[in-house]
Amino acid sequence: QSVLTQPPSVSGAPGQRVTISCTGSSSNIGAGHDVHWYQQLPGTAPKLLIYGNINRPSGVPDRFSGSKSGTSASLAITGLRAEDEADYYCQTYDDSPNDYYVFGSGTKVTVL
Amino acid sequence: QVQLVQSGAEVKRPGASVKVSCKTSGYTFSSYYIHWVRQAPGQGLEWMGRINPNSGGTNYHRKFQGRVTMTSDTSITTAYLELTRLRSNDTAVYYCARTWREVPASTNWFDPWGQGTLVTVSS
Repeated sequence: QSVLTQPPSVSGAPGQRVTISCTGSSSNIGAGHDVHWYQQLPGTAPKLLIYGNINRPSGVPDRFSGSKSGTSASLAITGLRAEDEADYYCQTYDDSPNDYYVFGSGTKVTVL
Repeated sequence: QVQLVQSGAEVKRPGASVKVSCKTSGYTFSSYYIHWVRQAPGQGLEWMGRINPNSGGTNYHRKFQGRVTMTSDTSITTAYLELTRLRSNDTAVYYCARTWREVPASTNWFDPWGQGTLVTVSS
């Protein structure tokens, strides 16, 4: 059972906008810790998509954006494309004893 | 460019041990932590622990305490994960990934990741 909760799946038609939520608690996101997002294409390793809540690494399209408020964070994908079909994970740090780094449960994005 | 290249797939019997390597290049090895994250088939990501290659210091998730050992060899810029007393639910892809040592853990992210090593535990 993941410390961070994400919807199992979201879907949208090409060109549409989808959002993925990541809900935590007062010991992680609510404690002010940064949230990061990863994209995992089928059969590959996760790839950094958003770091520090809102920042995109070089090479990541500006169709991807992150936000954070309270005990939750969100990833938005605008202008959805077929190549965005993948699993997406949020990640942060947890203050609970010995928990350290935690990941969301993961969200499968399907392009209809 | 920064690269983390892991060793190949392993098949082990229950009760055995496995050691996975993560060969790094393209950056100053001692300046970054190396973490290990695993992913069981069809499941999410699970953080296992990290090593500071500069000091050899480690932090392990309590779930793996007593069964996991992370080491590093600075001469060949390689990190290792050893997991003992394997059971069937240890079957997973094991990834190494780095985080920068100069920022607080509470702000840190994993980038890049190794390609993953499939460890299959089966009798």
